Amino acid sequence: SQQGEEDPQALSIQEGENATMNCSYKTSINNLQWYRQNSGRGLVHLILIRSNEREKHSGRLRVTLDTSKKSSSLLITASRAADTASYFCATAYYGNNRLAFGKGNQVVVIP
Amino acid sequence: GAGVSQSPRYKVTKRGQDVTLRCDPISSHATLYWYQQALGQGPEFLTYFNYEAQPDKSGLPSDRFSAERPEGSISTLTIQRTEQRDSAMYRCASSLVTSGQETQYFGPGTRLLVL
Repeated sequence: SQQGEEDPQALSIQEGENATMNCSYKTSINNLQWYRQNSGRGLVHLILIRSNEREKHSGRLRVTLDTSKKSSSLLITASRAADTASYFCATAYYGNNRLAFGKGNQVVVIP
Repeated sequence: GAGVSQSPRYKVTKRGQDVTLRCDPISSHATLYWYQQALGQGPEFLTYFNYEAQPDKSGLPSDRFSAERPEGSISTLTIQRTEQRDSAMYRCASSLVTSGQETQYFGPGTRLLVL
């Protein structure tokens, strides 16, 4: 079963605006990762945040992790049309190699 | 290679036929994963390999599904007696461990349609 659950499921924004999406999970994790999936392309790894980290940045991406609430957020700043994609959070657990993915969050950036 | 590759990219088959999907991981990566992704859903774990060993195949949905990685590099996923519910995107990933954290790099996937 999938652990991650993204919220909201679909988001439509104007180019230049920020996009925020959330993910929740159920049990203790080793790390949480965000992936992007463009139409017709593979899953691309965006960022990994460890369970002992609270915030991480990569370019226009900002990820937060709140282990007390078992939730994470992904912020994309100054969105571009090329950011149109599905975004998935995936959790990794101690002693378990598999990733548990959420259902994905569709983001459409309107030029 | 430069990235994870999978073949074929698309496969249409008739119910009851066997299909074999191939994954060629990044050459330096010891660990290889298979996931199944239904339309509108996130990928779901099927099985993984550490070199040629297959420590976990608990995600395989039935005994019609099997995977191999005989030489610790290329892997195949075989579905016997395909059923319509097997229609999905099948994704392969290989992983790299950096500073104790594992990152999985995914291939483009094979989209399987069972008629």
